[in-house]
Amino acid sequence: GQNIDQPTEMTATEGAIVQINCTYQTSGFNGLFWYQQHAGEAPTFLSYNVLDGLEEKGRFSSFLSRSKGYSYLLLKELQMKDSASYLCAVWRKQAGTALIFGKGTTLSVSS
Amino acid sequence: SQTIHQWPATLVQPVGSPLSLECTVEGTSNPNLYWYRQAAGRGLQLLFYSIGIDQISSEVPQNLSASRPQDRQFILSSKKLLLSDSGFYLCAWSGFSGLAGLSGANVLTFGAGSRLTVL
Repeated sequence: GQNIDQPTEMTATEGAIVQINCTYQTSGFNGLFWYQQHAGEAPTFLSYNVLDGLEEKGRFSSFLSRSKGYSYLLLKELQMKDSASYLCAVWRKQAGTALIFGKGTTLSVSS
Repeated sequence: SQTIHQWPATLVQPVGSPLSLECTVEGTSNPNLYWYRQAAGRGLQLLFYSIGIDQISSEVPQNLSASRPQDRQFILSSKKLLLSDSGFYLCAWSGFSGLAGLSGANVLTFGAGSRLTVL
């Protein structure tokens, strides 16, 4: 089965850098995803890693180490609008394909 | 481009009443379709997924059901709602939408969600 762990809450200040960690255990890896979810809204896709290393998209970067079952999302130059929940997710390859989510990390950015 | 529509956005229902949430996808064919639920303070729980018309898989035993009468239509239903059915229901589809770039990853895209309150 799948097991995904990430911190429940994090706080940071505007302009800072924050790293949100995610560890996972899955049988049959097919990519790791990060989603952003603002309060009361649906999650939106942020990034995807299938190979080891760093993927950079503007202020957001995501890193993956498949051997360690570890990923992180790095947010630079934090803005107030980055206050949201960040969800780590992996595709399940057994018993039907589906994206399985961690419980999410709620990030609060203060001025 | 692909779009996903989900309705109603908000509803308040009494215990024991029926439920019907509808989801449609445009701009793609034969998508995989999903229903997730997010209860207050909890993570996204997969409820149902479908790989084709009338092909539904249930993830957890409950008083909810799902149907897929057409290729791009997915419906979540209940005959009698319970208090514990309250939550934020999200329909999603997956396919090679190109969102992940050249890798062509199978990205999951969500509808706007339906917030259900059972009283």
